Formats: sequence, structure tokens, C-alpha cells
Amino acid sequence: DTAVSQTPKYLVTQMGNDKSIKCEQNLGHDTMYWYKQDSKKFLKIMFSYNNKELIINETVPNRFSPKSPDKAHLNLHINSLELGDSAVYFCASSQGMVASPTYEQYFGPGTRLTVT
Amino acid sequence: QKEVEQDPGPLSVPEGAIVSLNCTYSNSAFQYFMWYRQYSRKGPELLMYTYSSGNKEDGRFTAQVDKSSKYISLFIRDSQPSDSATYLCAIGDSWGKLQFGAGTQVVVTP
Repeated sequence: DTAVSQTPKYLVTQMGNDKSIKCEQNLGHDTMYWYKQDSKKFLKIMFSYNNKELIINETVPNRFSPKSPDKAHLNLHINSLELGDSAVYFCASSQGMVASPTYEQYFGPGTRLTVT
Repeated sequence: QKEVEQDPGPLSVPEGAIVSLNCTYSNSAFQYFMWYRQYSRKGPELLMYTYSSGNKEDGRFTAQVDKSSKYISLFIRDSQPSDSATYLCAIGDSWGKLQFGAGTQVVVTP
């Protein structure tokens, strides 16, 4: 059983298009995250939701809009895609925040986005 | 200056050697320290998590934190080819925000 799953795994699209990435976790976790990993492997947090409430909203262009329909799902919609958006996007989930003694963060397999 | 500095490597060691990885950070407000392992084309997986200065051991892995120097380390004893991966340090705050290092690529040769 996959703990954190993402669809699609690969996404190739042209500049200016709008696309969505979906994430689902079956771990019963309260908190979900979106990260971006660039070509140099640098991993940076974009957003996090706790019980469907936006907790972390980093300095990300407003073309990126997360949406959490329920605790188990966190989607990422990207408008007007640009070349610089090409990266691997990871979804993650955790039970509680990092300060919790039960904290452990599980990552999905990633969505490799290529904008041409 | 990045909040977390980590040498990207690659670091190549022979099988059985001790792998030593480290990161420095600049913001003392972050108080939770983690090491993740990432295999090629996979998501990171949490290896070690600690929130106090000192050592924490788990099997062949030892995480070390020195808050006064803002320095964290990961040691892998008796390294195996299966340990070949990218290792990322991360520091976190109470809200779950993690700052990651650039990751160090480790290659363990048989």
C-alpha cells in the first residue's frame, strides 16, 4: 500500500499552460506539504496544510495555488507555467508538526514537471 | 547566504568505511534537526530526528548536534553500497517549516 501517492509521475507541458498535481496520503496524518526540488537537488518548502488549514505559505508566485479538499488530499494547481517551474515537486505528510515527539514526515515519489 | 550550508560532494568511500557528513546553520530559532536519505528518482526518507544537542544513535547511524556551534553531523559506520544516496540535512521550527541543505551525494564502492 502506497503511503503518499502523487499523480502524475511525469508532466511535460508548454509554457503558458495550466496544470494540476494531485497528492493523497493514507496514513491518517494531519499535515501535508508541497516541496519543490530544483535541478541542483535543493529542496524547498512551498506550502503546508494542517487539518485543511494553510499553515506555511512561502514566497511562491501566486500562479501556484494549493487546495486541500480534505485531510488526506492536497493538490497543487499551477497557472501560466514558465520555464523556471521545471522541477520535481514532492508532496509529504506528517502526524503533527515538527515539534511533536511523534513527528515523522513521509514523502511521495515526486512529480517531474518539464515546461518547454 | 543560505540558512543551511551543506557540501554537495560527491563523497566517495570504500565499503566498510565511516561516512561523515555535516551541515552548518545560521538561525538559532530553528531547534529541530533531521537527516534524510534520498535515492535517485525517489522521495526523501527520514533517517534521524533530534531536537537536543548531543548524539543520537540508530544502528549504524549516529546524528550529532552542537547547538552552540550551529553544527550538525551524521556518521554512517560500516558503510555499504546500499548506503549510496544523497543525504540531506534539515532544520525545522515549531510550525513544521524545514530548511534543507543542498544534499551530499555519497557513493560507497564495493
